[in-house]
This record gives sequence, C-alpha cells and structure tokens, in this order.
Amino acid sequence: EAQVTQNPRYLITVTGKKLTVTCSQNMNHEYMSWYRQDPGLGLRQIYYSMNVEVTDKGDVPEGYKVSRKEKRNFPLILESPSPNQTSLYFCASSYREGFEQYFGPGTRLTVT
Amino acid sequence: TQLLEQSPQFLSIQEGENLTVYCNSSSVFSSLQWYRQEPGEGPVLLVTVVTGGEVKKLKRLTFQFGDARKDSSLHITAAQPGDTGLYLCAGLAWESNTGKLIFGQGTTLQVKP
Repeated sequence: EAQVTQNPRYLITVTGKKLTVTCSQNMNHEYMSWYRQDPGLGLRQIYYSMNVEVTDKGDVPEGYKVSRKEKRNFPLILESPSPNQTSLYFCASSYREGFEQYFGPGTRLTVT
Repeated sequence: TQLLEQSPQFLSIQEGENLTVYCNSSSVFSSLQWYRQEPGEGPVLLVTVVTGGEVKKLKRLTFQFGDARKDSSLHITAAQPGDTGLYLCAGLAWESNTGKLIFGQGTTLQVKP
C-alpha cells in the first residue's frame, strides 16, 4: 500500500530535550516536505527536499533541522524544542514538486 | 507574499443543504488543488484544476478554477454528514521554481444529520 508513515504519532516532551520525528514514504517520490498545522494559520511549510541531499527552508524553518540521506526518509529534528513548537506536524511526499502531495497521519507534539 | 484566502472559515449546515467554499488570491496560479482533512488524519487530495475556467465534478462536489487563474470554488450539493471535515485549497504559483504549494487557512465544514 502506497503510504507516508510518521513516528511517533503523539509526543509530549520538555523544553530543550532533543527529539526526532521520522518520516518514510514507499512511493519512490523525489519531493518531500514538512508542515506544521496550527489553528487559524493553516499548513505552513517548514522544510522541503527536492531530492536526496537537497534540502531547503520553507516558511517557518527556525528551530528545525532536516536531512535527506535516502530517498525514502526525511526526518525532522528539533535540537532544543520550545513551547512555541507545540503543534501538529505533517510529512508529505510527491512525485515531483508541485504535484499531488501524499500526507502522513500527523504527529501531535506538545512541548512543556 | 502570495496568499490564498479561504472563505468562510467555518460552516455548519444541515444535511441536504448546498454550500460553496471560496479560495481567492491576487496572484496567478498554474494549478489549484483541493484537499479534505478528517480529524486525526492528514489531508487527502480531492482534485487538481489546471486550466482557467475549468470545471471538475466529483460526485456531489463541483470544483471551478477562475478564468484568470486567481480563484477557485468548491460547491457541495446536498451535503451529507460524511462531508464533514477541513477543506484546504493549495496553489502552485505561476512562476514558482521551487514547486512549493501555498495553502489556504482552511474551511471547517460540519454537516449535521
């Protein structure tokens, strides 16, 4: 089954404790992206990757890191999480940039 | 800054009613996508419109792309409780070289039985 998987689905952590949210797709897509979704603000892009070893900042990259060492994986790293990073995070992939995006099920992160 | 404004932000209607959701911008888009998101899940693509003036139908849902490629609408006929969810429009800017989709803030639809 074609899908994007994210782990964990739910995470409660404390300020400053490094964390990684994993994302994997099995569709051989070139383009992958991370979004955060906040009430009233819609989906905002954090980082995107057009291919392996090619990543770039989206609209709200501060406080986040990503890597794309393999085509299928695109982890999101929060080196020192802060409460303003409490949000619902989505990973997405698409065949190429601008095409239909396939979203993961989301990761709800709470930073206290 | 390219923006997509969706209206209304919230809509609560009775089963059987019709509704229209709008997605407007001052910018030109080469394509417009509509997604639906249900609670606890990621958005799922409903349709992509690419030609100015294009109309696409998906059962009771009708999607239209404006002639000037700056706006789009989603019309639902005889809404059902299963239509409840968050509807998002997303546009690919005409001159985009990053392939970045610009998302509207979403329309939350509640259809009551």
